[in-house]
Amino acid sequence: DTEVTQTPKHLVMGMTNKKSLKCEQHMGHRAMYWYKQKAKKPPELMFVYSYEKLSINESVPSRFSPECPNSSLLNLHLHALQPEDSALYLCASSQDQGRGTGYTFGSGTRLTVV
Amino acid sequence: AQSVTQLGSHVSVSEGALVLLRCNYSSSVPPYLFWYVQYPNQGLQLLLKYTSAATLVKGINGFEAEFKKSETSFHLTKPSAHMSDAAEYFCAVSDQGSGNTGKLIFGQGTTLQVKP
Repeated sequence: DTEVTQTPKHLVMGMTNKKSLKCEQHMGHRAMYWYKQKAKKPPELMFVYSYEKLSINESVPSRFSPECPNSSLLNLHLHALQPEDSALYLCASSQDQGRGTGYTFGSGTRLTVV
Repeated sequence: AQSVTQLGSHVSVSEGALVLLRCNYSSSVPPYLFWYVQYPNQGLQLLLKYTSAATLVKGINGFEAEFKKSETSFHLTKPSAHMSDAAEYFCAVSDQGSGNTGKLIFGQGTTLQVKP
């Protein structure tokens, strides 16, 4: 299995809702990442987990809450989002953080906040 | 700190013509460099990577890139464009500096249009 699977593919949520994005990989990768991508822009790093521990938080607002329950799963919990948070959210994994082997990206979750 | 500059936000070629997408990097340490492709409403797919082995790197779908340290460049080429190559292309460098976060630093992207 050489894929990163993200669910759901599309999500529409109100500003008072709570929702979660899920990401799964079975490649034995020990680093997992959340990126946010706005239209016509490159992805922006949000969080990095290394060996199931939060390694990097790029000053992301607390309405985004990551969770890594085990080495194969990565969640992003969403609460009280703003319309400007609408974007494509990409999950990625790599063999190890800092190894330079390149990431494997999922297909993303298209999030719309109304 | 590492950085990447992609020259040309939009490149248009005819089907069958040479594809050349330009990428220049800045890095204080030997860089790890990547090219990714993104089709509409999709994630990013790794085309190829340079990790200090051979300077001419061959990737998927007939793409290749050459690492030129003297020019700090890592341009992406394909001899003959196909309609299916139309997509967004991102060059990226991996943060291998102090701290070695492995963070990918992306260029702004180049949209490749292929005309019939």
